[in-house]
Amino acid sequence: GNSVTQMEGPVTLSEEAFLTINCTYTATGYPSLFWYVQYPGEGLQLLLKATKADDKGSNKGFEATYRKETTSFHLEKGSVQVSDSAVYFCALSEPAGNQFYFGTGTSLTVIP
Amino acid sequence: GAVVSQHPSWVICKSGTSVKIECRSLDFQATTMFWYRQFPKQSLMLMATSNEGSKATYEQGVEKDKFLINHASLTLSTLTVTSAHPEDSSFYICSARDHLSGGKTQYFGPGTRLLVL
Repeated sequence: GNSVTQMEGPVTLSEEAFLTINCTYTATGYPSLFWYVQYPGEGLQLLLKATKADDKGSNKGFEATYRKETTSFHLEKGSVQVSDSAVYFCALSEPAGNQFYFGTGTSLTVIP
Repeated sequence: GAVVSQHPSWVICKSGTSVKIECRSLDFQATTMFWYRQFPKQSLMLMATSNEGSKATYEQGVEKDKFLINHASLTLSTLTVTSAHPEDSSFYICSARDHLSGGKTQYFGPGTRLLVL
């Protein structure tokens, strides 16, 4: 079946530190992969996505590369800011696109 | 980008009353919308898939008579929590697939926080 495994948080970093949030997946076909961000008290916002192997999604300084050989989609940012403090969800969508499978979320806190 | 709205954003009600939550796709048509529930500091739990013009598909363990879903148009789905009880207090989030763009991305509403007293 399909599933997503995310590194457990919470993660606390100092401003300008390098961020990596690991995400691996299990899928029967060729899924699309997503990172969503949830700021306190809000819904989920699409951060970036990749729809096929070796694609790199990027947005707001964040990036993630769809690695089929390692079934991974790790989120990275070179220099985090306080405003990046949020919960990050990795997700996959099966080829038909009808259902999403979410990771458990990783809480990130960036301190000045 | 695609925008999904939810109304209300906050609702407090007495136990035993019913609450309706609206989910609208503002700038695209959504043949399929999804309703999720999120408990504090947890991930999203899919409750049901709402298809325009047909009955919703509920996930295992979700009571369809408790959580009524209506998807009357390509831009509107509603979730009604009937006879709400305190254990129904939660954050409810809807999402919609952009039908015309191939539908691989889900766009999420801002969520509705329900508190049942």
